[in-house]
Amino acid sequence: AAGVIQSPRHLIKEKRETATLKCYPIPRHDTVYWYQQGPGQDPQFLISFYEKMQSDKGSIPDRFSAQQFSDYHSELNMSSLELGDSALYFCASSYSGGENTGELFFGEGSRLTVL
Amino acid sequence: AQSVTQLGSHVSVSEGALVLLRCNYSSSVPPYLFWYVQYPNQGLQLLLKYTSAATLVKGINGFEAEFKKSETSFHLTKPSAHMSDAAEYFCAVSPRLTGGGNKLTFGTGTQLKVEL
Repeated sequence: AAGVIQSPRHLIKEKRETATLKCYPIPRHDTVYWYQQGPGQDPQFLISFYEKMQSDKGSIPDRFSAQQFSDYHSELNMSSLELGDSALYFCASSYSGGENTGELFFGEGSRLTVL
Repeated sequence: AQSVTQLGSHVSVSEGALVLLRCNYSSSVPPYLFWYVQYPNQGLQLLLKYTSAATLVKGINGFEAEFKKSETSFHLTKPSAHMSDAAEYFCAVSPRLTGGGNKLTFGTGTQLKVEL
């Protein structure tokens, strides 16, 4: 079965640079979530999109922005990168209708290292 | 706001012993509850989920959890630990919402160590 696809899997950037992470949800899933997991931390919710509109917002820095496109894939844009942005970034998707059980399906994550 | 509390950031058991990882939730309405496992440098894998169909939920790899409303708990258990169970375990909660509002809120995680 198709899973959530994230790219790139690994990314190395310098401070003050910009990075873009991409997420391709499971087909027919209408909601995408972004999470940030720092070293030794639990995943922190950043932002979510439902049917291409922002549906919820968490602890996402102002330097970050995200959107969901017409094909339902999502991109997380991070600018003016700081050392503290080094983390594993997860994307998850879900389907809100039918047999919705609240389950989120996670991708393998994109590891961002800021030097 | 919903939240989960995981008691014990580190749990160590002997191989073959009972595994018990504790999770208590806070929610004004019955939530959805989940347990995820994360191996080093890997993603989050769903172990099991509670969605009100049954209070005793069986998951993968021999794990199970029981939803106890009176105790607001959703503890994870496995009768006999295996070396391959060593990983980080996260309890998570989400509201019963539609329209894309089902974000997960994670607990702080419990690192399980299995010793010979």
